[in-house]
Amino acid sequence: QKEVEQDPGPLSVPEGAIVSLNCTYSNSAFQYFMWYRQYSRKGPELLMYTYSSGNKEDGRFTAQVDKSSKYISLFIRDSQPSDSATYLCAMSTPGGSYIPTFGRGTSLIVHP
Amino acid sequence: NAGVTQTPKFQVLKTGQSMTLQCAQDMNHNSMYWYRQDPGMGLRLIYYSASEGTTDKGEVPNGYNVSRLNKREFSLRLESAAPSQTSVYFCASSASGTVSTDTQYFGPGTRLTVL
Repeated sequence: QKEVEQDPGPLSVPEGAIVSLNCTYSNSAFQYFMWYRQYSRKGPELLMYTYSSGNKEDGRFTAQVDKSSKYISLFIRDSQPSDSATYLCAMSTPGGSYIPTFGRGTSLIVHP
Repeated sequence: NAGVTQTPKFQVLKTGQSMTLQCAQDMNHNSMYWYRQDPGMGLRLIYYSASEGTTDKGEVPNGYNVSRLNKREFSLRLESAAPSQTSVYFCASSASGTVSTDTQYFGPGTRLTVL
């Protein structure tokens, strides 16, 4: 079992839908949780970052962490075709070298 | 400000050939990383350099070597390429590499095919 599990999809939704992307993890020491967005044939870019449990909102994006369930989510409201990309979750532990553990990524397709 | 640059963008090799992937960053970052990305496997760390003059193995180091040439540049070498090394290779950098809140910045990738 990988430390971080993420459904690869693809997830196909109509424009305007609310999208929910999720990851589960097994290492209870993870404290920092990140979502990266990767467009086709590009490198990943950091989208959102949260520490420990709770929610964080940035425009149409909301990141949610439930440490008791070892489950994190990224919600996208009013999804747009430009949101079509692969979304990778990543997480790391406090202290030491910053080496995040990545999920496999979920491919999202938002069709007009 | 170019961020993280990688050369070449594409490469086709024959089994047994060698090559070096180049990476450079202009953000004055201390730490640099090499990942490979395969379908269904996500990003896997090959090697990283926490600071100039140091390198460490990641999850999948076999068949690769690295050189941290200076603070800006971090190269990845395949001494004898194998078809299993067909992948997309990403270089990344981060400011300190010692803080969990550090953000990694990725290059555009090198698409390598080994025949």
